[in-house]
Amino acid sequence: QKEVEQDPGPLSVPEGAIVSLNCTYSNSAFQYFMWYRQYSRKAPELLMYTYSSGNKEDGRFTAQVDKSSKYISLFIRDSQPSDSATYLCAIRQGGKLIFGQGTELSVKP
Amino acid sequence: NAGVTQTPKFRVLKTGQSMTLLCAQDMNHEYMYWYRQDPGMGLRLIHYSVGEGTTAKGEVPDGYNVSRLKKQNFLLGLESAAPSQTSVYFCASSYSAGGYNEQFFGPGTRLTVL
Repeated sequence: QKEVEQDPGPLSVPEGAIVSLNCTYSNSAFQYFMWYRQYSRKAPELLMYTYSSGNKEDGRFTAQVDKSSKYISLFIRDSQPSDSATYLCAIRQGGKLIFGQGTELSVKP
Repeated sequence: NAGVTQTPKFRVLKTGQSMTLLCAQDMNHEYMYWYRQDPGMGLRLIHYSVGEGTTAKGEVPDGYNVSRLKKQNFLLGLESAAPSQTSVYFCASSYSAGGYNEQFFGPGTRLTVL
């Protein structure tokens, strides 16, 4: 079993939709959870991070961790065509990051 | 500040040829990483360095070697390229390995091995 699993999609939604992106992880000791966004043929960039359990909100984006089920989510409200990108979840293991496979999101006008 | 830069941006190799990818950062970061990205596979760690003169293996190190002779540079070498090494290679650096370990990525190198 991979340490981080992410549905690769692709996911296509209409503009204005609520988007839910999800990952599962295997080790309950993980405490730092990140979401990176990668536009086509560009470098990944840190979008959001959360520590331990709970929610974190930043504008239209909400990151959520459910440690009891080992599940992390990224919600995008009022999605825009500019949100079209690949979203990668990541978990810190020691001094390294473990990335999910990435979910390709397309928001159609 | 240029951030993280990678040289070259594109390269085509024949099977068995060798090459070196150069990563440079001007943020005085201690930690540097090399990843490869393949469709549906996310980012997989090849090798990393926790400081000048140190290197360590990541998830997929076979067929690659690295060196960190200067703090600002991290080199990735392919001694005998294979078609399975066709990929996009990203270098990243971070100030700390603790906390959420924000990593800053370079623009990538697209490598094709024929």
